[in-house]
Amino acid sequence: NAGVTQTPKFQVLKTGQSMTLQCAQDMNHNSMYWYRQDPGMGLRLIYYSASEGTTDKGEVPNGYNVSRLNKREFSLRLESAAPSQTSVYFCASRGPGDEQYFGPGTRLTVT
Amino acid sequence: RKEVEQDPGPFNVPEGATVAFNCTYSNSASQSFFWYRQDCRKEPKLLMSVYSSGNEDGRFTAQLNRASQYISLLIRDSKLSDSATYLCVVTTGGSYIPTFGRGTSLIVHP
Repeated sequence: NAGVTQTPKFQVLKTGQSMTLQCAQDMNHNSMYWYRQDPGMGLRLIYYSASEGTTDKGEVPNGYNVSRLNKREFSLRLESAAPSQTSVYFCASRGPGDEQYFGPGTRLTVT
Repeated sequence: RKEVEQDPGPFNVPEGATVAFNCTYSNSASQSFFWYRQDCRKEPKLLMSVYSSGNEDGRFTAQLNRASQYISLLIRDSKLSDSATYLCVVTTGGSYIPTFGRGTSLIVHP
């Protein structure tokens, strides 16, 4: 049981480049989430998907798009990366008791 | 007022000490409560759920006080490996969005 997996683990982008962060879970959970974590800011919700076929904005959605490809996969896309998007990105899924399971994170640097 | 508040610390304690953290929440409709542990540059990991009756897992005890709207985490006999940031998480019934505290930093020293 892999739980929640994320790729890539590290990425360096130049301003204006685009990329997609991939996330998959094998726990058959309905809800999935994308967070970013910056020093001193805590976890902030970017987007979430309550169930397959639905996505909703979180606290900080600007500059991002998401796709819930199927029940397992939820991707996050940066269309035109900016230095302000330098952060650690975590994907998570929600278990039956409302608990969240996190992937190992993607460390993104935008120069 | 933030929805979920935690003292950021750091709490500096010697090995073997007992340490307690509190987390206050503002929404009285909150239904699910959790403590997570996060090591530096790693993902948060579920430490324990917090039930109305309280729960214990080895050296860790979590309690919920609905009247005063806070949850607590007690760590007995602290180990060096307990050094981490402890996040409080609260979910409101009917909402898909959990609310995270910013975490309390614990440093256990020899």
